[in-house]
Amino acid sequence: QLQLQESGPGLVKPSESLSLSCTVSGGSISSSNYYWGWIRQSPGKGLEWIGSIYYSGTTHYNPSLLSRVTLSVDTSKNQFSLKLSSVTAADTAVYFCARHPKGFGNSWFNYWYFDLWGRGTLVTVSS
Amino acid sequence: SYELTQPLSVSVALGQTARITCGGDNIGSKNVHWYQQKPGQAPVLVIYRDSNWPSGIPERFSGSNPGNGNTAILTISRAQAGDEADYYCQVWDFSTVVFGGGTKLTVL
Repeated sequence: QLQLQESGPGLVKPSESLSLSCTVSGGSISSSNYYWGWIRQSPGKGLEWIGSIYYSGTTHYNPSLLSRVTLSVDTSKNQFSLKLSSVTAADTAVYFCARHPKGFGNSWFNYWYFDLWGRGTLVTVSS
Repeated sequence: SYELTQPLSVSVALGQTARITCGGDNIGSKNVHWYQQKPGQAPVLVIYRDSNWPSGIPERFSGSNPGNGNTAILTISRAQAGDEADYYCQVWDFSTVVFGGGTKLTVL
């Protein structure tokens, strides 16, 4: 049974970079059928997609975070990672990693729904 | 940017039917997905591509998204106490994933 697990520091100082990893267990991150994504949820707020990465390294980012986000993948470790630079208190959130189908054809984007999630990890930005 | 509008809260009597709306400009032309999130837990996909059930989701949950409309609906039949949660709709719009603001479902 495939599972996702986030890991990384729970406290980050303002202006520094937030780095998280997501380990995929029970299956391969190199599946041709899926993308791997990051979603965050500020305390008491809704969900915000950060970006998604394919095992080949192809990335898609939320335009609102594009200038600060970098996703990477390490297939040898079955992990993918998030780096968010120049963080502020507004970046305090629970960060989830999740899987979504790659989709196919001209309607590939209709398959971008998150069918498997990690439990999430709280990252607080504070000095 | 594209916006999805959900009511902040919906209440339903135990055993009755709850309907949670998700409004968006010409949303009928998009595929809508729905998630359930209980406190302290990750979201769970309950409906994908308007009206499809992921494995393990009871058919009490159903979705509709009329092709010419501006509102998609998640319907929960025979509501149970365990259905009390936040519900989010989600679509893809021009290079980004968009989530609705979420609806808190209370089962009375």
